[in-house]
Amino acid sequence: ETGVTQSPTHLIKTRGQQVTLRCSSQSGHNTVSWYQQALGQGPQFIFQYYREEENGRGNFPPRFSGLQFPNYSSELNVNALELDDSALYLCASSLPTRGGETQYFGPGTRLLVL
Amino acid sequence: QKEVEQDPGPLSVPEGAIVSLNCTYSNSAFQYFMWYRQYSRKGPELLMYTYSSGNKEDGRFTAQVDKSSKYISLFIRDSQPSDSATYLCAMSQGGSYIPTFGRGTSLIVHP
Repeated sequence: ETGVTQSPTHLIKTRGQQVTLRCSSQSGHNTVSWYQQALGQGPQFIFQYYREEENGRGNFPPRFSGLQFPNYSSELNVNALELDDSALYLCASSLPTRGGETQYFGPGTRLLVL
Repeated sequence: QKEVEQDPGPLSVPEGAIVSLNCTYSNSAFQYFMWYRQYSRKGPELLMYTYSSGNKEDGRFTAQVDKSSKYISLFIRDSQPSDSATYLCAMSQGGSYIPTFGRGTSLIVHP
């Protein structure tokens, strides 16, 4: 186990709705990244938070937003859900190290948009 | 062309075989190379982490990086049914760690 937990495990929403996914990082890990993994694809980077500030963003629209809290938990919010948002959403926590990081992934939240 | 190419498989081998998994990439700025294992309905788990070119060994796993050919490999010796999973390669430019993942190769090791 990585010590990273995510909730809920599964979620079904309809197009146009909003969703909030949650992640609890390892204690002391002040960096969290969120990824979207479509079926049969590798994880795609959404954004990263470091000490509660957004620290990098992938090619995702503004309706994907996030928050990081001082207690090492974080949220991913998606507004105006689209069918293509159906995927596994992964969070990964880490300590930043020079030149790279070891990321610990949670088990993911599987989102289905109907 | 995607930045990172990886054959999705599936790759089916008998128990005890040597497995070779590969990725090619196009971005010559990549310096850090990772291999993750992902079991069904689980998050990816980091297996190997290599900086620049060369080989790295950890138990039954060996990672190779050939930057001149933009080609990386993961070898698994004495493969076991418990190795059956999807193997994802990932790479980054370093600094602010934002990895680019391949699509993963599904490996099946049958008894």
